[in-house]
Amino acid sequence: DAGITQSPRHKVTETGTPVTLRCHQTENHRYMYWYRQDPGHGLRLIHYSYGVKDTDKGEVSDGYSVSRSKTEDFLLTLESATSSQTSVYFCAIATIDFYEQYFGPGTRLTVT
Amino acid sequence: DAKTTQPNSMESNEEEPVHLPCNHSTISGTDYIHWYRQLPSQGPEYVIHGLTSNVNNRMASLAIAEDRKSSTLILHRATLRDAAVYYCIVNGEKLTFGTGTRLTIIP
Repeated sequence: DAGITQSPRHKVTETGTPVTLRCHQTENHRYMYWYRQDPGHGLRLIHYSYGVKDTDKGEVSDGYSVSRSKTEDFLLTLESATSSQTSVYFCAIATIDFYEQYFGPGTRLTVT
Repeated sequence: DAKTTQPNSMESNEEEPVHLPCNHSTISGTDYIHWYRQLPSQGPEYVIHGLTSNVNNRMASLAIAEDRKSSTLILHRATLRDAAVYYCIVNGEKLTFGTGTRLTIIP
């Protein structure tokens, strides 16, 4: 299994509070991704990173920001959580040729 | 990104081969075809990818049509552990997941 972990695994928070999810890898892969998955939908890309301090937006980036100050960590921040951001969040890493992505176990976030 | 079309669901008997189809008529010449699967309560798992030629690995085979407008993921001998949602994705480094095919294996 690829060395990729997510923390926390579960979180319940209130509307309007900031939330940061962490993705940590031990594989030294260049590419990292954040997705969300909602019932009835496939995964949707939020943000991704090509390397340290090199990030870009995905298809559902509104309300989210990311940071990557080290190769091994990719942080996803909800500046002011809303109920529409209740979801399961998956982090993924990819090899230099990005053809194979490896996913973390997911973080289940509930915004009340 | 090229759009993909997959059946919403399929069923197969255990220990029989499974052919999961995917149509991608708008694929461009440089797009790879990727397949992932997602088991219940888990993150997606890479299965296989290809460009033009058929591909085999320990998990599955990928058969790509000559015009590349369709492909088929082949599980040679389905087991109960293969019950999952299978996603066919056609694009570059940013994967765009659709809703996939939910595969049910009948014991």
